[in-house]
Amino acid sequence: EVQLVESGGGLVQPGRSMKLSCAASGFTFSNYGMAWVRQAPTKGLEWVATISYDGSSTYYRDSVKGRFTISRDNAKSTLYLQMNSLRSEDTATYYCTRAGSSDYWGQGVMVTVSS
Amino acid sequence: DIQMTQSPSSLPASLGDRVTITCRASQDIGNYLRWFQQKPGKSPRLMIYGATNLAAGVPSRFSGSRSGSDYSLTINSLESEDMAIYYCLQHNEYPPTFGSGTKLEIK
Repeated sequence: EVQLVESGGGLVQPGRSMKLSCAASGFTFSNYGMAWVRQAPTKGLEWVATISYDGSSTYYRDSVKGRFTISRDNAKSTLYLQMNSLRSEDTATYYCTRAGSSDYWGQGVMVTVSS
Repeated sequence: DIQMTQSPSSLPASLGDRVTITCRASQDIGNYLRWFQQKPGKSPRLMIYGATNLAAGVPSRFSGSRSGSDYSLTINSLESEDMAIYYCLQHNEYPPTFGSGTKLEIK
């Protein structure tokens, strides 16, 4: 059974950093590009970043470029999102998903940026 | 960025109705269009991929179609479990962009 389990969220002050993880199981993680998608409270879905299957290519939405870094450890079947210089507008539930197919999603992890 | 204009934003409907939700792409996206269903407090669920292909496990009352730059999700014979928010997503080019969502609710 395919599973994606996010962790690492919580409350963080503006300007600080946070790192999210997404542990994958039930499929060959190293064969799939992966993505992070977020959803602000009561708002719609918003793509954040994508990483290729081998980590050689990454893509970001403009509003997080230079602040967020997507990475992966294929040996650990884990996806990461390092978030620096956090802003209130980054407050959202963050989901990881298989980028090429969007067929599996994690349960989401809440990130709240507030003083 | 490619804009996905989704309509309507809210769709009251009765059980057994046939409903259609539409997304219009601001640029050519070919068939790189997916539809998702999201229920309160849950993760999105893939319903349609490649504009017209039913995802695994999705009931056959759901279907997707394309007419030019307009992409539609149709649900035949609505059931109570279909009440949710539906989003389209274009993934033809970066950044992938979602429609604003359609809340399907019981009339």
